[in-house]
Amino acid sequence: QKEVEQNSGPLSVPEGAIASLNCTYSDRGSQSFFWYRQYSGKSPELIMFIYSNGDKEDGRFTAQLNKASQYVSLLIRDSQPSDSATYLCAVRWSYQLTFGKGTKLSVIP
Amino acid sequence: EAGVVQSPRYKIIEKKQPVAFWCNPISGHNTLYWYLQNLGQGPELLIRYENEEAVDDSQLPKDRFSAERLKGVDSTLKIQPAELGDSAVYLCASSLGGERSYNEQFFGPGTRLTVL
Repeated sequence: QKEVEQNSGPLSVPEGAIASLNCTYSDRGSQSFFWYRQYSGKSPELIMFIYSNGDKEDGRFTAQLNKASQYVSLLIRDSQPSDSATYLCAVRWSYQLTFGKGTKLSVIP
Repeated sequence: EAGVVQSPRYKIIEKKQPVAFWCNPISGHNTLYWYLQNLGQGPELLIRYENEEAVDDSQLPKDRFSAERLKGVDSTLKIQPAELGDSAVYLCASSLGGERSYNEQFFGPGTRLTVL
């Protein structure tokens, strides 16, 4: 059974702070890792993905991957109220994406 | 470039009635996915198409759910008969196909189904 675990939150951070979202996965054979953002009532949109151990930065977002620990995280720097959403971690095995339940983030002005 | 289109956006039916959802993927995307998303959960894959072939339907409840993608473009997902537990959002996604492009799935707006 391939599982992706996330803390459901809500995670509340003040505007301008760093938000840290975490995800663990069960299968060491997983190939790549994704973060999607989903606003309430909307569909998921891809923020970024990462293949290799280490960090990957895109603007205010940094994805971190540690395959030995089976852990992936998303850091959001200078958090804005518009970042308030549910963040879904997804892990790819073969051609299939398995999603976590998501972490709800609230950025407080 | 137009995104993934789904219709209807909302559907309310009584249990035991049939219902159908339609999806038009991004132009040129060979791979099409149907997902189910329950409240407070992540999307769960129901079926994946490569062109017109259903290559992964292991999660599709085949006693009541069916899907087709006859010409390798548009797709329809059907439930017959619907049950109360089918109330959820049905998401369609598409990707280009090929090794790397499986990574980038683009989602449509979804169809919110309510079964009364």
